[in-house]
Order: sequence, then structure tokens, then C-alpha cells
Amino acid sequence: NAGVTQTPKFRVLKTGQSMTLLCAQDMNHEYMYWYRQDPGMGLRLIHYSVGEGTTAKGEVPDGYNVSRLKKQNFLLGLESAAPSQTSVYFCASLTPGQPQHFGDGTRLSIL
Amino acid sequence: EDQVTQSPEALRLQEGESSSLNCSYTVSGLRGLFWYRQDPGKGPEFLFTLYSAGEEKEKERLKATLTKKESFLHITAPKPEDSATYLCAVLNSGGYQKVTFGTGTKLQVIP
Repeated sequence: NAGVTQTPKFRVLKTGQSMTLLCAQDMNHEYMYWYRQDPGMGLRLIHYSVGEGTTAKGEVPDGYNVSRLKKQNFLLGLESAAPSQTSVYFCASLTPGQPQHFGDGTRLSIL
Repeated sequence: EDQVTQSPEALRLQEGESSSLNCSYTVSGLRGLFWYRQDPGKGPEFLFTLYSAGEEKEKERLKATLTKKESFLHITAPKPEDSATYLCAVLNSGGYQKVTFGTGTKLQVIP
């Protein structure tokens, strides 16, 4: 039972490049989330999904897009990367009323 | 707007020196308060859920308590392996299972 798996684990991009971060969970959770974690700012919600085919904006959605075509997968896209998007990105999933389960993060640097 | 404030930001203890971490919160309809542990380069790992004031949970050297305005994570006779960042989060009664995180307390236990 892998839980929440994030790929890739590390990535370096140049400004203006695009990429997709993949999150996969095998716990049959309805809710999935993308966060970014920056020093001194804690975990901030980018986008979330309450079920397959649904997505919604969180606290800091600008510059990101998401898709949830399958229940187990939640994709985070950066269309035109900017240095301000250098961060550690975490995916999480949950079932209502229960704590979130997190992946181990994607460390993204944008030069 | 839900808010979570953790103190202190960092704590350095000698092995065996007990202490407490604080999590103060304001939330519109608390459905649960969570404590997580985060090791460097890893995602947050769930420790406890507290649902109502007066509730307590224990696990090894850790004990979490909850009042109507704050939660404490008590660490009794800590060991170096307890060194980590401890995160507090609240789940509100909103429709999308909104979780708000504090910025964490970084604990270092010195042998």
C-alpha cells in the first residue's frame, strides 16, 4: 500500500518552461489537494478536488492549473514557470472527517 | 478566516527535558484538530486527531490536548529521534474539508 505518491521528486526548470506534477493515491479517497510549502509560510493550498472531474481554486491558485480525470490521480500544471514558483509541492488526500495523507513532495527550482 | 498560530517557532531541548508546543486557533466550526510530524525532505506524517475540548491522545512520549482555543503537544523525556518539525492543522465544517495549517515548531533534541 503506497499511499500518496508524487512524481517527480526533484526538478529544475528555466523561466517560461512548462511542466506537470503527478499525484497518485491508492486509498480511494474522494478529496485531493495540492499545497506549496515555503520557509516561514507553512502549507498553502493551491487547488483542490472533491471528486473525479471536479477541481477548485485554493488560497494561491495563480499560475497553476489542475486536472482530476481519474479518481486516483491529481495533476498540477505550471504553464509558464516563474522564479516565484520555486517551492516544495505536496499532494494530499483524505476521506471526510479524517486527517490528510501526504506524499513526500516535489522539490521544484525555477531559474 | 481560519487561523492557526504555533509557538515557539523553534525549540531546543536536552535529551530527557520535557516541554510543550502550543497551537492557538480560530476556526468557523471545528471538525477536528490534527498534529503532524514532518522530517526533513519528507511529507507531513499524521500523529493525532482531536475532536472536542477536553480530549487527550497519547503516543509514546507525545501527548496532545485540546481546549476551545488551543492545543498543546506535550513531549515527555524526549529523545534525539523526536527531532522534527511539528505541524498543527484545523479542519473546519466547510463543504470541501478545508484544512488550515500553522507554520510549525521545529524541535531539536540534543543528546
